[in-house]
Amino acid sequence: NAGVTQTPKFQVLKTGQSMTLQCAQDMNHEYMSWYRQDPGMGLRLIHYSVGAGITDQGEVPNGYNVSRSTTEDFPLRLLSAAPSQTSVYFCASSYSMQAYYGYTFGSGTRLTVV
Amino acid sequence: QQPVQSPQAVILREGEDAVINCSSSKALYSVHWYRQKHGEAPVFLMILLKGGEQKGHEKISASFNEKKQQSSLYLTASQLSYSGTYFCGTDQGGGADGLTFGKGTHLIIQP
Repeated sequence: NAGVTQTPKFQVLKTGQSMTLQCAQDMNHEYMSWYRQDPGMGLRLIHYSVGAGITDQGEVPNGYNVSRSTTEDFPLRLLSAAPSQTSVYFCASSYSMQAYYGYTFGSGTRLTVV
Repeated sequence: QQPVQSPQAVILREGEDAVINCSSSKALYSVHWYRQKHGEAPVFLMILLKGGEQKGHEKISASFNEKKQQSSLYLTASQLSYSGTYFCGTDQGGGADGLTFGKGTHLIIQP
């Protein structure tokens, strides 16, 4: 099993460009989420999904869109990149939305917006 | 609101013990603990559930004081491989709203 796969690993964008960060899991996990990690800030929740067709906003959703058309995939779209979105982005999944299980994280996407 | 972790950083010699604390101002359903090494993804260590159930592994243990909304992670006889940043993640509603993570505790183990 691959676990949680994120692509790309590194990306440089110009201000105003858009892009999609990909996240796929092969563990049949219901719950998927996106976090951003900034120095000294810990991990902050952007969006999450409790199953195909269901998404909701987390703590810092502005400037990001998500969709969940399949159980396996949960892409994160940056609509118009800004320097404030420079960060490391992690996708995470769990067997259930119930917090009985730990989350499995992808290896991350390091995004720089210039 | 982010849980507060303490200490922010700790340096130990191999074989010494460490305690990392996590405190929340809100009632919690569960507390997760993760370890992240530099440049890598966070890795799940342990979950503590309201009511006392605990799921984890290896040589790491933890406690959850429901009255105080506090959790502590205990690393005994630390090994060089324990170095990294430890995060607690708190959950208030059984997972429906995701986890809220603390800012992390940097642990350095020296030979």
